[in-house]
Amino acid sequence: SQTIHQWPATLVQPVGSPLSLECTVEGTSNPNLYWYRQAAGRGLQLLFYSVGIGQISSEVPQNLSASRPQDRQFILSSKKLLLSDSGFYLCAWRGQFFSPGYTFGSGTRLTVV
Amino acid sequence: DQQVKQNSPSLSVQEGRISILNCDYTNSMFDYFLWYKKYPAEGPTFLISISSIKDKNEDGRFTVFLNKSAKHLSLHIVPSQPGDSAVYFCAADSRISNFGNEKLTFGTGTRLTIIP
Repeated sequence: SQTIHQWPATLVQPVGSPLSLECTVEGTSNPNLYWYRQAAGRGLQLLFYSVGIGQISSEVPQNLSASRPQDRQFILSSKKLLLSDSGFYLCAWRGQFFSPGYTFGSGTRLTVV
Repeated sequence: DQQVKQNSPSLSVQEGRISILNCDYTNSMFDYFLWYKKYPAEGPTFLISISSIKDKNEDGRFTVFLNKSAKHLSLHIVPSQPGDSAVYFCAADSRISNFGNEKLTFGTGTRLTIIP
């Protein structure tokens, strides 16, 4: 069966520090991968998605970047965190071609101080 | 441009009663709709979905209704239980144009509180 792993679960980082959040999927190949952010009291904002290795689509201009170095690995990064980067970050995957929807990871709570 | 809207940010319902969560969309290309449930500090989990060729889909206590002419869908939970307290997101997909392999469009969520 397919599983998705996301880590760390919580992270407290100072302003100006770098960020690296990792997401891996098991049990499937060539998944579509997604990074979402849920800011406090708000909905799910799509940040990046990828339909293949090295293919990244950015939805919102921001202080973040994403990379997909391997088929089932998706990384969210920042060189210098801002206070506004605080939020709940979710990774998700979806199979190709008419899969019913996303499967989300358990999320990372990022607090920038 | 918010293509999927959940106009009620919160809803409180007595235990045992019916909970009705609403969602409106504007893009007529959407042809598949999903509901997700999210507890605090956890990822959303898939609840139920409906294709645009149907107007109703039922799974246990959960029923989703789709009114294509009004571009409106609703999730009914009967009877409501304390464990149903969570944030509910509706999402929409355009399978024909996206071949089902790109991004879902999510609403802003409705926080449902079931009162014991």
